[in-house]
Amino acid sequence: EAQLEESGGGPVQPGESLRLSCAASGFGVINYWMYWFRQRAGRGLEWVARVNYNGAITTYADSVKGRFTIARDNAKNTVFLEMNSLTVEDTAVYYCAKERGYSSVARSDLLDVWGRGTLVAVST
Amino acid sequence: DIVMTQTPRSLPVTPGEPASVSCRSSQSLYHSDDGNTYLDWYVHKPGQSPQVLIHTLSSRASGVPDRFSGSGSGTDFTLKISRVEADDVGIYYCMQRLEFPLTFGGGTKVEIK
Repeated sequence: EAQLEESGGGPVQPGESLRLSCAASGFGVINYWMYWFRQRAGRGLEWVARVNYNGAITTYADSVKGRFTIARDNAKNTVFLEMNSLTVEDTAVYYCAKERGYSSVARSDLLDVWGRGTLVAVST
Repeated sequence: DIVMTQTPRSLPVTPGEPASVSCRSSQSLYHSDDGNTYLDWYVHKPGQSPQVLIHTLSSRASGVPDRFSGSGSGTDFTLKISRVEADDVGIYYCMQRLEFPLTFGGGTKVEIK
């Protein structure tokens, strides 16, 4: 069974950095585009970033561009989200997700496996 | 960015009865090159990971019971549950993937009366 498990969340102060990890099991991430989403309290889901098979192509939401970096280590079957210059607006549960297999540069495929999320809390 | 608007925000339902969630996009999600409409439905149940129910307007994802159906065209879409079960409680989201950024509706919380 394909599964994803996020880790690395926790409390941080504004301006600090945090690195989230997403460990995959039951499938090889090397075959899929991988995504990060987040859900801020009282709000809906929000797409954050995605990365292609070899990490050469990345796309970001405007709200995190220049501050967040998505990367992957296919040998470790893991995807990462490096978050810098965090603000209180970045407080959210962060989810990683796997696409079904038909994504392209122009378009995402459906997201068929999601993790349970990890909470990032930015406050003074 | 494509804005997705869902109604209602809350939907109390009686087990065995039908339920319907509406979603509207700020521009058409129909892609003429391939004839697909890039609208998906996801559900986030308490204590679980989000999961896909319907993709590309009306295709049920693997393992999703046929009580769930998606319909619509252009900018107006509907998710229908023919007979609600207690296990269906959760927050339902529509999502467009015609273009980036991917955007979601605000969610509809389905709860049992």
